[in-house]
Amino acid sequence: GAVVSQHPSWVICKSGTSVKIECRSLDFQATTMFWYRQFPKQSLMLMATSNEGSKATYEQGVEKDKFLINHASLTLSTLTVTSAHPEDSSFYICSAIPLRGYGYTFGSGTRLTVV
Amino acid sequence: GIQVEQSPPDLILQEGANSTLRCNFSDSVNNLQWFHQNPWGQLINLFYIPSGTKQNGRLSATTVATERYSLLYISSSQTTDSGVYFCAVGQTHDKIIFGKGTRLHILP
Repeated sequence: GAVVSQHPSWVICKSGTSVKIECRSLDFQATTMFWYRQFPKQSLMLMATSNEGSKATYEQGVEKDKFLINHASLTLSTLTVTSAHPEDSSFYICSAIPLRGYGYTFGSGTRLTVV
Repeated sequence: GIQVEQSPPDLILQEGANSTLRCNFSDSVNNLQWFHQNPWGQLINLFYIPSGTKQNGRLSATTVATERYSLLYISSSQTTDSGVYFCAVGQTHDKIIFGKGTRLHILP
């Protein structure tokens, strides 16, 4: 149990286009989900906290107009990278807490390449 | 905010060797996890261990919350243990912050 599904696994897009990444909790409800970004050979950096039914909370330095987060249901959060540029190329990964006291479960990640 | 430091940053070992990875954190926490990131980027949750000791096969972990550190032990290393090991901590049942990781290479 406690599976987080992320789609797509990888995507290549042209500069200036938008890309949507989906994060689903398959067997539990998640009122809160988290989005992280990881550059090659670096650690995971928290981008934002996604709250079901309300606005996301962004970490300092993350452009909320560029990284749109929508948490429309208890099992789905989406991250849209708008007007993508090559510097947005990265590994994006989402997570959720299935149950307090049991830690975070992560999706399999999305590798975004902007050309 | 809370700081998380992992050591060593890199570790190269021969297959069969044992290893100890360390995670120091700067403030009290009520969430601490160890993850293994495989070559495809998938984060595997190894332990949820805000305090105490746990074991799972060849892996075990100990967190001494009062002294603000955690240790991950890997015994009889195998090549499949290679990858990056992350420690992540949180002060609430909210976001967790990752350390920079330990890159482990197990040589056959």
